[in-house]
Amino acid sequence: GNSVTQMEGPVTLSEEAFLTINCTYTATGYPSLFWYVQYPGEGLQLLLKATKADDKGSNKGFEATYRKETTSFHLEKGSVQVSDSAVYFCALGDQAGTALIFGKGTTLSVSS
Amino acid sequence: DTAVSQTPKYLVTQMGNDKSIKCEQNLGHDTMYWYKQDSKKFLKIMFSYNNKELIINETVPNRFSPKSPDKAHLNLHINSLELGDSAVYFCASSQVAGQLNTEAFFGQGTRLTVV
Repeated sequence: GNSVTQMEGPVTLSEEAFLTINCTYTATGYPSLFWYVQYPGEGLQLLLKATKADDKGSNKGFEATYRKETTSFHLEKGSVQVSDSAVYFCALGDQAGTALIFGKGTTLSVSS
Repeated sequence: DTAVSQTPKYLVTQMGNDKSIKCEQNLGHDTMYWYKQDSKKFLKIMFSYNNKELIINETVPNRFSPKSPDKAHLNLHINSLELGDSAVYFCASSQVAGQLNTEAFFGQGTRLTVV
C-alpha cells in the first residue's frame, strides 16, 4: 500500500542553519505530496504542496521538490529561525483521494 | 472565524466511560476525517466521511463510532473508554474526496486522557 517515510528526529539546529528533512514515499500512480507543520499545542497547517513530478512547493522560506525518479519530497530551508521549531509531517494524497497518509513526523528544535 | 473547530479541547475521563468529541467545519467541504495522534506524534486515519457517508473505516475498535448528522459535522463517540485510547484526536476536512491534490484543514485537536 501507499506509505511515507520521514527521517527520524529530533533535529536540533542553531538559528540561521540550513535545514533538510528527508521524505520518501511509496505509491501507485502519481500522488500529490504535502508538507504540514504542527506548532506546539496546535493542529496541523499546510506548509506547501506539489501535485506533479518536478513541481516545487514553497512557502515561508521552505521549499520541496517532487522527485519522481527518487520518489522523494525533501523539505529544505536555507536559514531556520527559532519560530520554526515545530513538528513537520510529510504526507501523500493517494490516487483515490480518500485521505492523506502521513509520515511519522520530524521534530525540529531551533535554538538562538 | 475558525474553519474546523472541535470541542472539547481537553477531555479527562475514567476508564469505562462513554464520551463524545464534536467537530464542525464552515468551509463548505464535502469530506471530513478523524485522525488519531499518539504520544510519538504518529498520525493515523480513523474514519473518512464524504457527504455524510462513510468512505474509510480503518482498523479501529468498534467502540469508536462516528456520526455525521450533516456534511458540516462529524462527531466521534467512544464507548467503554480504555487507557490506550489516550491520544490527541484531530478532525479535518477537505473539499472533495477523489481529487488528487486536495489539501486537508485540521482542527486544533482534542487531547483525551483516560485515567
